[in-house]
Amino acid sequence: NAGVTQTPKFRILKIGQSMTLQCTQDMNHNYMYWYRQDPGMGLKLIYYSVGAGITDKGEVPNGYNVSRSTTEDFPLRLELAAPSQTSVYFCASSYTNQPQHFGDGTRLSIL
Amino acid sequence: AQTVTQSQPEMSVQEAETVTLSCTYDTSESNYYLFWYKQPPSRQMILVIRQEAYKQQNATENRFSVNFQKAAKSFSLKISDSQLGDTAMYFCAFMKQEAGGADGLTFGKGTHLIIQP
Repeated sequence: NAGVTQTPKFRILKIGQSMTLQCTQDMNHNYMYWYRQDPGMGLKLIYYSVGAGITDKGEVPNGYNVSRSTTEDFPLRLELAAPSQTSVYFCASSYTNQPQHFGDGTRLSIL
Repeated sequence: AQTVTQSQPEMSVQEAETVTLSCTYDTSESNYYLFWYKQPPSRQMILVIRQEAYKQQNATENRFSVNFQKAAKSFSLKISDSQLGDTAMYFCAFMKQEAGGADGLTFGKGTHLIIQP
């Protein structure tokens, strides 16, 4: 049982480049989330989705976009990478009112 | 909006000792959930324990237990018989029940717990 799978695990981008962080879950969870974790801080919510075709902004959505075409997949898109987006990114999923299951994270550096 | 505060950036105890990590929160919600997550150096986020606000009984999971004081908005984690593998960052997190968890978790800044041999 894979749970929540994130790819890639590490990535270095140049300023202005774009990329997509992939997230897939095999637990048939209806809710999915993207968080970022900056050094010495807790996780902050970027975007979330309550089901296929439905997404909404979290606390720190600027500079990111998401889509959810299937229950399983919830990719996060960075269009114009900026140094402020250097962080560790976590994808998570859950059932309604249940604890979230997290992926192993993606460490992203923008230089 | 809700806030979660963890006032202990770092704690260090000897193996086999008992340690308590503090967490306070602020919310106007009546129904919610509270969690403790563990993040070891591997970076994984691992659920330690969960508490439903409507339950008066404190949650326990083996060596881990909480002291939930709803009126005081306090949610501390006690680790008994601490082990070297307990060394990690510990995050306290809040989730509104009304949205079913759809709008995510609010995390504290974390406490770095070090278990000394």
